[in-house]
Amino acid sequence: DAGITQSPRHKVTETGTPVTLRCHQTENHRYMYWYRQDPGHGLRLIHYSYGVKDTDKGEVSDGYSVSRSKTEDFLLTLESATSSQTSVYFCAISLKEDNSPLHFGNGTRLTVT
Amino acid sequence: GESVGLHLPTLSVQEGDNSIINCAYSNSASDYFIWYKQESGKGPQFIIDIRSNMDKRQGQRVTVLLNKTVKHLSLQIAATQPGDSAVYFCAENHRGSQGNLIFGKGTKLSVKP
Repeated sequence: DAGITQSPRHKVTETGTPVTLRCHQTENHRYMYWYRQDPGHGLRLIHYSYGVKDTDKGEVSDGYSVSRSKTEDFLLTLESATSSQTSVYFCAISLKEDNSPLHFGNGTRLTVT
Repeated sequence: GESVGLHLPTLSVQEGDNSIINCAYSNSASDYFIWYKQESGKGPQFIIDIRSNMDKRQGQRVTVLLNKTVKHLSLQIAATQPGDSAVYFCAENHRGSQGNLIFGKGTKLSVKP
C-alpha cells in the first residue's frame, strides 16, 4: 500500500452532514491525490496537491474541498454530503510530477443516506 | 465489498492460458501509460508502465504493448493464474498534467481453474 493509510475505511452518513476523509502517508512524497470510483465511470480525479498548502481541482471537484497542512496528511471534506457522493474514495501518492505511477491506498467506502 | 462496477467488459480464460487485455486511449499528447490491477475491496495496484518512446516492455509474466498510431495499449499476462483474477485498468498521462492520470473503465479478468 506504499505507506498510505486512509481513514475511516467505511462510513455511513446522512444527507447534509459534513464529512472529512483522511489520507496519511509515511514516505514524505510531494504529490497526493483524491479519486472517486463509481460503476460506469471508473476512477475520476477530485483534487490533488503538489505540496503543503498547494492544491488544485480535478475533474469532479464540485462539492469537495481539500486541505494539506502537513506533507503527510491530505484531507478531503464534503461540506454537505449528498447521495450522489456515495462512492469509494481513493487516495494516491506520486514520487514526482510526470511519468511516475500513482500508488493507491485501500479506499474509503462512503454511503450517504 | 465491490469497488468496481457493473457492466465491465469481461475476459474469461482457463488457468495456464495467456490473457490479453486491451485498452484504447484518447489523448494523442499522452506520453506515459500504466496498467493497474484491482482486487475486490482494495485499491488499484501498479503492474507495469511504458513511455511513449517505447512500443514494448516486459515484466514478470506481463508484457505491455503500445501502438501510438492507433492509440492502443495492451497487457499480456502469460500463464494466467487464479490469483490474476481482478479488474485491470489502463491509465494515461501527459507531460505537464502534474501527474493526473486518466483511467479507462476497466476489464474484469476471470480465471477458471
